[in-house]
Amino acid sequence: NAGVTQTPKFQVLKTGQSMTLQCAQDMNHNSMYWYRQDPGMGLRLIYYSASEGTTDKGEVPNGYNVSRLNKREFSLRLESAAPSQTSVYFCASTGRRGGLLNTEAFFGQGTRLTVV
Amino acid sequence: AQKVTQAQTEISVVEKEDVTLDCVYETRDTTYYLFWYKQPPSGELVFLIRRNSFDEQNEISGRYSWNFQKSTSSFNFTITASQVVDSAVYFCALSGGSGAGSYQLTFGKGTKLSVIP
Repeated sequence: NAGVTQTPKFQVLKTGQSMTLQCAQDMNHNSMYWYRQDPGMGLRLIYYSASEGTTDKGEVPNGYNVSRLNKREFSLRLESAAPSQTSVYFCASTGRRGGLLNTEAFFGQGTRLTVV
Repeated sequence: AQKVTQAQTEISVVEKEDVTLDCVYETRDTTYYLFWYKQPPSGELVFLIRRNSFDEQNEISGRYSWNFQKSTSSFNFTITASQVVDSAVYFCALSGGSGAGSYQLTFGKGTKLSVIP
């Protein structure tokens, strides 16, 4: 099982450029998440999708858009990248198991994004 | 709103010492889930434990143990006889168990543990 796959692993953008971070999970999970990790700030939730067809803002959604393309895929788009968006981005998914609502989150390997 | 507080930003211990990482949480949900994750220097996030709010039993796994106290909204993590390989950033996280909060997975800011040989 691949689990959660994120692409790309590294990216350098110029200010104003756009890009999409891709995330796919093969665990049949309902919920998917995008986080950013900055030094001393922990993981902050950007957007999440509780189930296919729904998306909601997290703590730091400004400057980002998301698409839950299907149950497997959840993409994060930066329309006009800014230096403040330099960060490590993690995609995660959670599912249901044994009658309980949420399993632990399964994470992708992360995308290190630098905006210059 | 959910909140997770890890008051200890950085901790340094000498190898073989015991160390406790603190986690305090806030939630309005009556059912919720708590987690600990480890992030070694390589950067990946490693799941350590999950605790359901209706199960207050403490848990031990090898050198790791977790103390869940609902009365103080705390879910502390103790490493016994620490080793250099325990050096990492440790995150506590909270997920709601009902309603809209059930899909919010909130992390603390992490505690960086350095184990000195």
